Amino acid sequence: NAGVTQTPKFRVLKTGQSMTLLCAQDMNHEYMYWYRQDPGMGLRLIHYSVGEGTTAKGEVPDGYNVSRLKKQNFLLGLESAAPSQTSVYFCASSYLRIGGYTFGSGTRLTVV
Amino acid sequence: AQKVTQAQTEISVVEKEDVTLDCVYETRDTTYYLFWYKQPPSGELVFLIRRNSFDEQNEISGRYSWNFQKSTSSFNFTITASQVVDSAVYFCALSEASNYGGSQGNLIFGKGTKLSVKP
Repeated sequence: NAGVTQTPKFRVLKTGQSMTLLCAQDMNHEYMYWYRQDPGMGLRLIHYSVGEGTTAKGEVPDGYNVSRLKKQNFLLGLESAAPSQTSVYFCASSYLRIGGYTFGSGTRLTVV
Repeated sequence: AQKVTQAQTEISVVEKEDVTLDCVYETRDTTYYLFWYKQPPSGELVFLIRRNSFDEQNEISGRYSWNFQKSTSSFNFTITASQVVDSAVYFCALSEASNYGGSQGNLIFGKGTKLSVKP
């Protein structure tokens, strides 16, 4: 079972460039989430989705956009990358609204 | 608002010592869930336990045990006879059942405790 797959695993961007992080899950989960992890800050929720075609803002949504056109995919976009967006990004999915998440392996993004 | 506090930023122990990781949470919900995740040096997040607010029984799984006390809003994690492989960052997290501010179900994480177990 693949579970939750994130691509790419590593990326270096220049300030102002754009990119899309892809999260794919094969567990038919309704709920999907994007978190960022920064040293000393734990994981903070960027955006989440409670089903296909829906998205909502989390704790730190500024500078990011998301889309959930297909149930299995949750895309995180950076329109104009900034050094402050250097982070490790984790995607997660869950079957129940309240329950343990299945996390992807993370994407390490560096913006220079 | 919900909040999770892990006051211990880093802990260092010698192998075979017992170690307790503290977690204090804040919520106004009566139904909520608490979690612990482990993040080893390889970076992935590993689910350890989920506990709902109505179940205050302590739980033991091998060398791991969890102490949930609603009276002190704490959900502490103890590793008995620690091993080098226990070295990791451990996160405590909270999920509320009610939809205060639209955050129903979202996992709120503490900042983590880095545990180093030395041989």
